[in-house]
Amino acid sequence: AQSVTQLGSHVSVSEGALVLLRCNYSSSVPPYLFWYVQYPNQGLQLLLKYTSAATLVKGINGFEAEFKKSETSFHLTKPSAHMSDAAEYFCAVSDRTSGTYKYIFGTGTRLKVLA
Amino acid sequence: KAGVTQTPRYLIKTRGQQVTLSCSPISGHRSVSWYQQTPGQGLQFLFEYFSETQRNKGNFPGRFSGRQFSNSRSEMNVSTLELGDSALYLCATRKMADSNTEAFFGQGTRLTVV
Repeated sequence: AQSVTQLGSHVSVSEGALVLLRCNYSSSVPPYLFWYVQYPNQGLQLLLKYTSAATLVKGINGFEAEFKKSETSFHLTKPSAHMSDAAEYFCAVSDRTSGTYKYIFGTGTRLKVLA
Repeated sequence: KAGVTQTPRYLIKTRGQQVTLSCSPISGHRSVSWYQQTPGQGLQFLFEYFSETQRNKGNFPGRFSGRQFSNSRSEMNVSTLELGDSALYLCATRKMADSNTEAFFGQGTRLTVV
């Protein structure tokens, strides 16, 4: 069964510092991977997705993620954190083998940006 | 382009009651999925509908049910509510049923069971 692990339920960075949120997946074949962001009392907004094209994926709001098959990772980065980046971030995998089409989410990482 | 609309945004119900939540997808989206979000269990898949057919169901009791209409709007129903059903219920829609197409989420319905 596919699974997603997000290391660090809480991450704090200073404004202007590098943001690195970690995501590792478990799958027998490279899955489709997504990063979503959730602001308080809101739904989830797609940041970026990996679907077997380029391994370095650029998303919205300056975020990007690199798919590394050898490390089964899909870490999310942003060179310079902004106060508005404070939110909860979810990594998700979409099963491409069993035809279920459901998302399996990680447990989320809450990002805090310090002034 | 209108996004995914979920109604109502907030609900307070009493144990034992039933509740119906609604989701109107983005125009042209035919796949609708429902997720339950709680602090303890995170985001869990409930079920997915495509062209009025349930394609997949998560590991939830039979008290949780859903349906999809011909205009792709979907409803989910929870009967005999329990305190543990308190959660944010999110609807996600996709244009196609392919697994590589991203899902767009509504703002959710916050259900509180007292």
